[in-house]
Amino acid sequence: NAGVTQTPKFQVLKTGQSMTLQCAQDMNHEYMSWYRQDPGMGLRLIHYSVGAGITDQGEVPNGYNVSRSTTEDFPLRLLSAAPSQTSVYFCASSYSGFRDRSTDTQYFGPGTRLTVL
Amino acid sequence: DAKTTQPPSMDCAEGRAANLPCNHSTISGNEYVYWYRQIHSQGPQYIIHGLKNNETNEMASLIITEDRKSSTLILPHATLRDTAVYYCIVRDQGAQKLVFGQGTRLTINP
Repeated sequence: NAGVTQTPKFQVLKTGQSMTLQCAQDMNHEYMSWYRQDPGMGLRLIHYSVGAGITDQGEVPNGYNVSRSTTEDFPLRLLSAAPSQTSVYFCASSYSGFRDRSTDTQYFGPGTRLTVL
Repeated sequence: DAKTTQPPSMDCAEGRAANLPCNHSTISGNEYVYWYRQIHSQGPQYIIHGLKNNETNEMASLIITEDRKSSTLILPHATLRDTAVYYCIVRDQGAQKLVFGQGTRLTINP
């Protein structure tokens, strides 16, 4: 299994540009989520999904859109990039969305480092 | 989700046990204690979790006090590769998300 993969690894955008960060997992996980991590800070939840066709907002959803058309993929869209969105973005997935204690380990991808000028 | 309090940084000598404390005084009966770590800007890595009883796996041990208001993550024989930020997270079993705090930056010294 490749686990959780994210592309691209690095990205530089100009203010106002849009782009999509890709996240895929091959573990048949129901639950997927996006976090951002600013320098020296912990991770903050942007959006999450408990299954295909179902998404919900986290702590910091403004400026981001998500969709979940398949179990495997959970792309994050920046609609109009702003310098405040400069951050490292992590995607994560797990079985069952924590309903089953025995399988609720959350796996994280390697991250996408985004700079908005 | 209950909030957690961790020391911002700790040091430990290589080969010694690293004991990382976490206070979660407002934890409720359905909330689990989770530990993750993040090595040098990589994605966070799951370590261990527990509800009431102490837990042990190949990476670490988790000691939860009887009143569940605090816990300690123990790395029994720390190595240089254990240098990382360690996050203690409290979460309800029915909740869908993890809420990360600032964590403890653990430095293992040779």
